[in-house]
Amino acid sequence: DAGVIQSPRHEVTEMGQEVTLRCKPISGHDYLFWYRQTMMRGLELLIYFNNNVPIDDSGMPEDRFSAKMPNASFSTLKIQPSEPRDSAVYFCASSHRTQNYGYTFGSGTRLTVV
Amino acid sequence: GEDVEQSLFLSVREGDSSVINCTYTDSSSTYLYWYKQEPGAGLQLLTYIFSNMDMKQDQRLTVLLNKKDKHLSLRIADTQTGDSAIYFCADYGSGNTGKLIFGQGTTLQVKP
Repeated sequence: DAGVIQSPRHEVTEMGQEVTLRCKPISGHDYLFWYRQTMMRGLELLIYFNNNVPIDDSGMPEDRFSAKMPNASFSTLKIQPSEPRDSAVYFCASSHRTQNYGYTFGSGTRLTVV
Repeated sequence: GEDVEQSLFLSVREGDSSVINCTYTDSSSTYLYWYKQEPGAGLQLLTYIFSNMDMKQDQRLTVLLNKKDKHLSLRIADTQTGDSAIYFCADYGSGNTGKLIFGQGTTLQVKP
């Protein structure tokens, strides 16, 4: 398996623009997680899905953030409108209970909002 | 709620052993994990231990679990400069949520 695939790797956008981050989990994994990492706040869980259904979105910072998982092989995290304080590295991870729930992380998307 | 705590920084000399410590609060933990994050990369699973084990060894890595004190440690023998990274401790506990609780991460600096 190619692992968890995130795109793009880097995104630079202007304040106010819409940003869409994409994630393809490992085939067969039934959990998908979106995290944000910054120097100030560390690693933060934004939202996670089980079998494509959002389970906990309490970490989503504002209504500007939304996430979808239309099928088992694809998820998006959208920020609209983007702000400079959204600049961070966004990670997607997937897991399966038969693998003791250990996560496999993607390489991340480095978002810079100017 | 559950919490996982780690010290933020550790500096060692190349060739020495490193010990990274972690404490957790969930008395129902079932699995505990160590992840490594190299600069510019995602978190990579290093090893994990089931809660009914005291110790697990994997080449240069030794994981010790003291369930009574809710204390987990990762020992890296013969630390190399390539071991410089951030190490995260994580806990999968009760509630069957599928969600891990991560510590803040410990930055390991290995000096030549």
